[in-house]
Amino acid sequence: QKEVEQNSGPLSVPEGAIASLNCTYSDRGSQSFFWYRQYSGKSPELIMSIYSNGDKEDGRFTAQLNKASQYVSLLIRDSQPSDSATYLCASGAGNQGGKLIFGQGTELSVKP
Amino acid sequence: ETGVTQTPRHLVMGMTNKKSLKCEQHLGHNAMYWYKQSAKKPLELMFVYSLEERVENNSVPSRFSPECPNSSHLFLHLHTLQPEDSALYLCASSQDMTGSYGNTIYFGEGSWLTVV
Repeated sequence: QKEVEQNSGPLSVPEGAIASLNCTYSDRGSQSFFWYRQYSGKSPELIMSIYSNGDKEDGRFTAQLNKASQYVSLLIRDSQPSDSATYLCASGAGNQGGKLIFGQGTELSVKP
Repeated sequence: ETGVTQTPRHLVMGMTNKKSLKCEQHLGHNAMYWYKQSAKKPLELMFVYSLEERVENNSVPSRFSPECPNSSHLFLHLHTLQPEDSALYLCASSQDMTGSYGNTIYFGEGSWLTVV
């Protein structure tokens, strides 16, 4: 059974702090990894994708991938109350990376 | 607006009803997906269509019946559902199924289904 595991939280951070979200995956054949943000009652919205080991930065977001450890993380710098949402980690398998496997999501709350 | 439109947004149906969910993508993509999101559970992939052919059916009960008449439209036909089928049903699309760099999956806004 291919799985993606996330700490369900809730994770609470003060405004302006760094929020760190973590994810592990079981399928060593996974080649693509994604972080989606989902506000309550809304659909998931892609915020980061990462395919290679190392860091990838986009504005206040940094995704980190370590394939040896089968570990993916998302850092949110200067957290804002508007970042409060559930963050979904997903992996795509091999050459069928469009078939995503999702974790259960981590609920993030940024307190003003 | 992601270019993937789902209707209806909300649906309440009885266990003996037959209804359909509709999805339309305006992105020129070749792959379309149905996902199910239940409370406190991960998103579950239900069906995948690539170039209008079904390539995945993740052990979904036959009371859910997908249809892909062309690369822009995807339906999920529902009949004799159970209360535990109440969930958010999400349609998604991507350029293809390879998951290659930049091949992003876009989700629609979802259809909230309640079975009574």
